[in-house]
Amino acid sequence: RKEVEQDPGPFNVPEGATVAFNCTYSNSASQSFFWYRQDCRKEPKLLMSVYSSGNEDGRFTAQLNRASQYISLLIRDSKLSDSATYLCVVNIIGSNAGNMLTFGGGTRLMVKP
Amino acid sequence: EPEVTQTPSHQVTQMGQEVILRCVPISNHLYFYWYRQILGQKVEFLVSFYNNEISEKSEIFDDQFSVERPDGSNFTLKIRSTKLEDSAMYFCASSEGVGGYAYEQYFGPGTRLTVT
Repeated sequence: RKEVEQDPGPFNVPEGATVAFNCTYSNSASQSFFWYRQDCRKEPKLLMSVYSSGNEDGRFTAQLNRASQYISLLIRDSKLSDSATYLCVVNIIGSNAGNMLTFGGGTRLMVKP
Repeated sequence: EPEVTQTPSHQVTQMGQEVILRCVPISNHLYFYWYRQILGQKVEFLVSFYNNEISEKSEIFDDQFSVERPDGSNFTLKIRSTKLEDSAMYFCASSEGVGGYAYEQYFGPGTRLTVT
């Protein structure tokens, strides 16, 4: 079973649309959760952390359900510049108390004019 | 805005050669990481480093790999006797601390390693 699982997409949406991505993780010891975005052949860029209470940053809303081991990202009013791959990432604390990020395979979003 | 930098952006090497990938983490960060991404695949954790020693490493990070902080600013990944399957993008990352949301990891632009 994959540690962090995402629908690879692509999601093709028109500008202005609302789109939602989901992610599940298998390791119940996961400590913290993030969404990163990655443009083609570029580095992952932190989009937002995901808190248990849910959090919002402008057009982006993230939710975490620890009981179901499920994370979501909602993007409202999609822009052309939102076109990218969205990576669901969980942080596991290792046996030596170090951080190890585990990445999902990413969900590709294409926003069309 | 402070950022992680990496050099070179692209490295081509022959199988069996040694390569050193360099990174300059964000200046007030204390924790450093290497990840790799094989083309078309997901990003994979290699190693984390703190206080001049490895704190965690994955199964990928075997004896072929080593990391070092040779001075106060650089953080390097050495790959000995490179193999074709080492061809990937290697990302360096850094964070202020560990353990929670406040200690988010920030990634450099990566070094594309091509082993021929």
